[in-house]
Amino acid sequence: DVKVTQSSRYLVKRTGEKVFLECVQDMDHENMFWYRQDPGLGLRLIYFSYDVKMKEKGDIPEGYSVSREKKERFSLILESASTNQTSMYLCASRKGLTDTQYFGPGTRLTVL
Amino acid sequence: KNEVEQSPQNLTAQEGEFITINCSYSVGISALHWLQQHPGGGIVSLFMLSSGKKKHGRLIATINIQEKHSSLHITASHPRDSAVYICAVKLGGGADGLTFGKGTHLIIQP
Repeated sequence: DVKVTQSSRYLVKRTGEKVFLECVQDMDHENMFWYRQDPGLGLRLIYFSYDVKMKEKGDIPEGYSVSREKKERFSLILESASTNQTSMYLCASRKGLTDTQYFGPGTRLTVL
Repeated sequence: KNEVEQSPQNLTAQEGEFITINCSYSVGISALHWLQQHPGGGIVSLFMLSSGKKKHGRLIATINIQEKHSSLHITASHPRDSAVYICAVKLGGGADGLTFGKGTHLIIQP
C-alpha cells in the first residue's frame, strides 16, 4: 500500500514565522503535489514536482516555495507566514502522468 | 481554464436510498477522479476513469466524454457513506496536478 505521511496533523504559528511542512512517500513516486483546502473553495494546487530538484508552480504559488532534494520528500515552505495562509494543507503523490493520486492525512495550519 | 462543477452541494438521505452525485467540466480531460473525504481530512481515491463505467462494491462511477459529465452512484446507502465526495479532473498529458470541484457533502441518516 502507498503511504504518504505529513510531519504534523496540527500546527499553530505566529505571523512572520518561517514554516516548513514536510511530506514523505514510500512508493518511489516521481510526482508530488502540495494543495491547500479552504471552505467554499475546495482544493487548489500550490506547487508540484515531477522529479528531484524539479518544481512547477500551481494555481496559487504566491507566498510559498518548495524543495525536493530527495525523491521521497517534498517540502512546502512559508517564508513569512500570514493569517491568510491558515488552511488545511494536503500533500499527494502519483507514479505516472495519469495514475491514481494518493493523499497524505493533511496538516491543519493556523497562523495567529 | 477548466471549471469543475458538482451538484448537489449538500445531500441528506435516508439509509438504503440510491444516491447520485454529478460532476461536469468545461474542457477536454485525460482522466476524472472521484475522491472521498471523511471528517478529519484524509482523502481516499475511489475511482479514476477516462471512459465508460467502473464499479467497486456499492459504488458506481460513469463518465460521458462527449457531454463532459460524470456521475457517482451509491446503492443501498449506509451511514458510514457519510462524507464529502470530490470530483477532480486531470488536464492533458502533463505532470501537473488535478483541478477539483468544491465537493458534495453527503449525510446518510439511519
